[in-house]
Amino acid sequence: GDSVTQMEGPVTLSEEAFLTINCTYTATGYPSLFWYVQYPGEGLQLLLKATKADDKGSNKGFEATYRKETTSFHLEKGSVQVSDSAVYFCALSDKGNKLVFGAGTILRVKS
Amino acid sequence: DAGVIQSPRHEVTEMGQEVTLRCKPISGHDYLFWYRQTMMRGLELLIYFNNNVPIDDSGMPEDRFSAKMPNASFSTLKIQPSEPRDSAVYFCASSLRFDQPQHFGDGTRLSIL
Repeated sequence: GDSVTQMEGPVTLSEEAFLTINCTYTATGYPSLFWYVQYPGEGLQLLLKATKADDKGSNKGFEATYRKETTSFHLEKGSVQVSDSAVYFCALSDKGNKLVFGAGTILRVKS
Repeated sequence: DAGVIQSPRHEVTEMGQEVTLRCKPISGHDYLFWYRQTMMRGLELLIYFNNNVPIDDSGMPEDRFSAKMPNASFSTLKIQPSEPRDSAVYFCASSLRFDQPQHFGDGTRLSIL
């Protein structure tokens, strides 16, 4: 079945450091790919998405490119802030609207 | 827009009691989803509805769990009888159409003693 694999955390960075969170997927079709973010005590919020190969999703300085050849959708940000500390979930939607989530990666940014 | 509203935010109850979690989706959204989040299993889809009709309940763990959507603006997830292993954060989410992103509520943190 469909699955999403994310790099294990926690990822701890200093403010203004470069961020990469790896995400790879397995799907039978051509899924849409998403990054969601969860701040402490809150639900998940959509961060960005890409619906076809080579699409780049971007929002709030975060970017991810849909790479079909490597089945990847890595999240990047050039300069993280303390306020970016959260849990980040990679997800895919293949059949209908069911989302399949990765395990989540905790990001901690120190000032 | 009010967003997805869940209640209660926190629930602590004793094993064997009935628990009812409530969700109000965003107005106009046709899809409603119930998820469970635990440290061990991550985020799991329990059930989802389209236009108030349950479409896929394959994620519901066992018969102790049931979900209803009597109208477009309200859904419940019930656990009866509750067990300590049901302790988790339960999220409700809704989306406008099948190809639109899901909007999550802030969750209900459930503790079964």
